This record gives sequence, structure tokens and C-alpha cells, in this order.
Amino acid sequence: GNSVTQMEGPVTLSEEAFLTINCTYTATGYPSLFWYVQYPGEGLQLLLKATKADDKGSNKGFEATYRKETTSFHLEKGSVQVSDSAVYFCALSDTGGSNYKLTFGKGTLLTVNP
Amino acid sequence: DAGVIQSPRHEVTEMGQEVTLRCKPISGHNSLFWYRQTMMRGLELLIYFNNNVPIDDSGMPEDRFSAKMPNASFSTLKIQPSEPRDSAVYFCASSLPRTGGGYGYTFGSGTRLTVV
Repeated sequence: GNSVTQMEGPVTLSEEAFLTINCTYTATGYPSLFWYVQYPGEGLQLLLKATKADDKGSNKGFEATYRKETTSFHLEKGSVQVSDSAVYFCALSDTGGSNYKLTFGKGTLLTVNP
Repeated sequence: DAGVIQSPRHEVTEMGQEVTLRCKPISGHNSLFWYRQTMMRGLELLIYFNNNVPIDDSGMPEDRFSAKMPNASFSTLKIQPSEPRDSAVYFCASSLPRTGGGYGYTFGSGTRLTVV
């Protein structure tokens, strides 16, 4: 079945540091890939997505590239801010039929210190 | 659009009581998902609907849990009787049908349930 593996957290960085959160996946077919962010006390929000190999999703300074050869979708940001502190979830879509559901990773807690 | 609306935001109830959580999806979204989030288990898919029909309820933990979607704009998740181990944040999410790549989900703000 489908699965998503994220790097274990928590990740603690200083402001303006470079961020990488690793995500690898196992899936049949050609899934779409997503990163979601959850700020404290809130629901998950779609951060970015990529729908085919070599696509790069980007939003709010975050980027991730769909790498089919390494089955990866690592999240990066060049300079993090305190406001980026949140839990980040990698996810993939099931490609079966006309319905689809997302398979989520366990989440990675990011804390950015001033 | 107001997004996915869940109510109540917080619920505290005594063990053995019935609890009903409510969700209003985004208009035009035809898929609806119920998730549970805890520190121990992370994010778990409980059940999802497509066009108001339950498609997969394999994540529903036991018979005490039930979910309905009587129309396209409303869904409920009921726990009867509730137990302390049901304490968690319950999220509802909705989405458009998959068309060539997926749109992702829109999540509600969640209901924090505490069973004492």
C-alpha cells in the first residue's frame, strides 16, 4: 500500500537558518504529492503540491521537487522565520478510481528560535 | 467562502455520554473526510464520503463511532458511549473530485474533545 516517511522531529533552528525536512514515499502509479502545515491550535493547511515528476511546488518561500527516481519530496526553505514554527506533514494522493484519499506522514515539528 | 466549518470547537463530556461532532464542507466539494489527531497516533483517517456515500470506514475504531452525511452540506461524527481514550482533536476536511492530479484537502479548525 501507499506510505509516506518523514524525518523524525523535532527540528529546532535559529531564525534565518536553512530548512530541509525529508520526505520519501511508496506508491503505485503516479501520485500527487503535498506538504501541509499545521500551526498551533489550527487545522492543516495546504502549503504546496506537485502533480508529476520533476514538478516543483512553491509557496511562502518553501519549495519541494517531485523526484520520481528517488521517490522523494523534500521540503526546503532558504531562511526560516519564527512564524514558520509549526508541524509539517508530507502527503500523497491515492491514484485509484474517481475517489482519492491522502496518505499522510507522521508530521515533523519545527521550532524556530529568534 | 467560509471554509470547512466544524462545531463545536471544544467539547468536554463525561465518560458514557453521547458526543456529536458536526461539519459543514465547502460548497461544491463532493468528498468529505473525518480525521482524529492524537500525540500518540498522529493523524488517523476515520472515514470518508464521496457524494454523501461512505466509501471507506475501515479507520473507525469500533462500533461506538458512527458517521453520517445526510446531504452535501452536512456531516456528523457520533461517539456513543464516549470513553476517556476518545479524547483527541477531530478534524473534518473536504475536497473537489480528483481531476488529473488532485486538489488536496481543505481542513476545518477541528473539535478538541475531552472525555473525563
